[in-house]
Amino acid sequence: EVQLVESGGGLVKPGGSLRLSCAASGFTFTNAWMSWVRQAPGKGLEWVGRIKSKTDGGTTDFAAPVKGRFSISGDDSKNTLYLQMNSLKTEDTGVYYCTTIIDNGDARDYWGQGTLVTVSS
Amino acid sequence: SYELTQPPSVSVSPGQTARITCSGDALPKQYAYWYQQKPGQAPVMVIYKDSERPSGIPERFSGSSSGTTVTLTISGVQAEDEAEYYCQSADSSGTYEVFGTGTKVTVL
Repeated sequence: EVQLVESGGGLVKPGGSLRLSCAASGFTFTNAWMSWVRQAPGKGLEWVGRIKSKTDGGTTDFAAPVKGRFSISGDDSKNTLYLQMNSLKTEDTGVYYCTTIIDNGDARDYWGQGTLVTVSS
Repeated sequence: SYELTQPPSVSVSPGQTARITCSGDALPKQYAYWYQQKPGQAPVMVIYKDSERPSGIPERFSGSSSGTTVTLTISGVQAEDEAEYYCQSADSSGTYEVFGTGTKVTVL
């Protein structure tokens, strides 16, 4: 069974840093493209960034609002995805999800339960 | 930056058909995905690659594409389909992904 479990959310002051983790199981982590998506309170979904699989180069891309402040990495030995968030702003507040689509001829999406990040003084 | 535009809301009576559009300049080049999100829950993909339906998603959900617009159709709407729906795609280079503005489907 595929599972994604996020952790690391919490309250942080503007300008601070936070690292989110996403523990993956039930699929071949090294073959997956993994994304982070966030949702501000009462707002819509916002794509944050993505890391391609190692076989596809392992490169990362980010949405304009977080580019240069956020980074994504993966630890294959722990099947864990990370989102490092620096220089946090109040507008970064929201629920952060890790997600992936596994397509073996019949695509399925998988999402974590979400972790809340609150940036406030 | 690239944007996908959806109508804010769609209202439909049970058993009728709901159609939700999503417009974006790169949609002729990039696949679209559709997600359903109910309050307090993570999104669920109901359509991928414009018109493919994941197993386990009811047949009343279908997707289509025409030019710069993709459409999610829910035929024979049921009360349980009341939710927010988002399209998702990528810019023309495929580098940056984006979600649509979201459409609230209300079942009257």
